[in-house]
Amino acid sequence: QTVVTQEPSFSVSPGGTVTLTCGLSSGSVSTSYFPSWYQQTPGQPPRTLIYSTNTRSSGVPDRFSGSILGNKAALTITGAQADDESDYYCVLYMGSGILVFGGGTKLTVL
Amino acid sequence: QVTLKESGPVLVKPTETLTLTCTVSGFSLSNARMGVSWIRQPPGKALEWLAHIFSNDEKSYSTSLKSRLTISKDTSKSQVVLTMTNMDPVDTATYYCARISEWKYYFDYWGQGTLVTVSS
Repeated sequence: QTVVTQEPSFSVSPGGTVTLTCGLSSGSVSTSYFPSWYQQTPGQPPRTLIYSTNTRSSGVPDRFSGSILGNKAALTITGAQADDESDYYCVLYMGSGILVFGGGTKLTVL
Repeated sequence: QVTLKESGPVLVKPTETLTLTCTVSGFSLSNARMGVSWIRQPPGKALEWLAHIFSNDEKSYSTSLKSRLTISKDTSKSQVVLTMTNMDPVDTATYYCARISEWKYYFDYWGQGTLVTVSS
């Protein structure tokens, strides 16, 4: 079974830019996988950030952006803020109605 | 205002069957292009998609859990029900329901989740 891969952890300085990625154990991610991104803080349900590769969900600030970089989906946060410190998950559509979450990236802002 | 709320037992015994209900409001389960998914998260671990059901009753299941899961809906009650058979302690998790876009395959609204513990 194909695994969706994410960096386990990442660190960014306040005001800095960070790019988190979402790949496949076999193959390349394209827009046909409808990549979406979710932010989760402890004890809370996930919050939807990005869908269909690069569409921001309602109310999400424009410092969050999505793209395809090389063979992976990417989430870029520009001007990182302290409250961006969260877990970030990507989801890919594998076809035939199947969705798979990545293992998540724990982002530290310091 | 779209809301989803999970309900079900907080504790189940190993080998028992878990039944969870997601009650939705602010949209109809007969709305085209929308459905409801179940997602779970073991303590300290990653999210895992389990299943979804769409307005036309089309259903999909996680490949690894397909044999244990059944999803159904009662449109008149605005409820989606997930059953998971043969529960094991590794199934201890917070179970979320979320609204899913049928054409773009993303979750736009989430419930608060319900923690289910599997223990004898």
